[in-house]
Amino acid sequence: DIQMTQSPSSLSASVGDRVSVTCRASQSINNYLNWYQQKPGKAPRLLIYAASSLQSGVPSRYSGSGSGTDFTLTISNLQPEDFATYYCQQSFSSLYTFGQGTKLEI
Amino acid sequence: EVQLVESGGGLVKPGGSLRLSCAASGLTFTNAWMSWVRQAPGKGLEWAGRIKSKINGGTTDYAAPVKGRFTISRDDSKNTLYLQMNSLKTEDTGVYYCSTSSDYYGMDVWGQGTTVTVSS
Repeated sequence: DIQMTQSPSSLSASVGDRVSVTCRASQSINNYLNWYQQKPGKAPRLLIYAASSLQSGVPSRYSGSGSGTDFTLTISNLQPEDFATYYCQQSFSSLYTFGQGTKLEI
Repeated sequence: EVQLVESGGGLVKPGGSLRLSCAASGLTFTNAWMSWVRQAPGKGLEWAGRIKSKINGGTTDYAAPVKGRFTISRDDSKNTLYLQMNSLKTEDTGVYYCSTSSDYYGMDVWGQGTTVTVSS
């Protein structure tokens, strides 16, 4: 199975900050990398697909980059509603896998 | 509006079985690839398995922890996805989500989740 490793596991930031979360795959996954946001008690929400494509309805302060094994989710101008847990997920293999999550806290 | 609604969760003893359902509306279910994703209490997301559309073979893939115990199926006439869970273990406890599933476009529509508790 392809292992996905996110860093950091948790992150403290303030409203207006710019933050980045990284995700590393155990082998090349081309650009088959997706990012999700999850708030407590809620289902995940797709933010970014194919490494850098913004899902419809997602604010433009979210962006994704990377290819191969190393990927980054960047959130600019943090808003109060952005404090949540973020997950990367690979869909290169027929056996999908998620990263362990990054909790973004105020 | 595209909507997925899970049902069938509950309390079951270790070794028992449970079948979850996911009713889809507002999308062409026949063409949709679908996944089940679970989340143990206080833990991260874990992909459990996926079923492709029948036009793509209707094949299934499963994560190692559930392979051989869980079975994903679909009834396109009812726009419904199923997860048959057998030989349940305490570590299968959690919230189970169904989602639309694409290798390229990710999992873009999710249900609200249904809770499964495996305990004696």
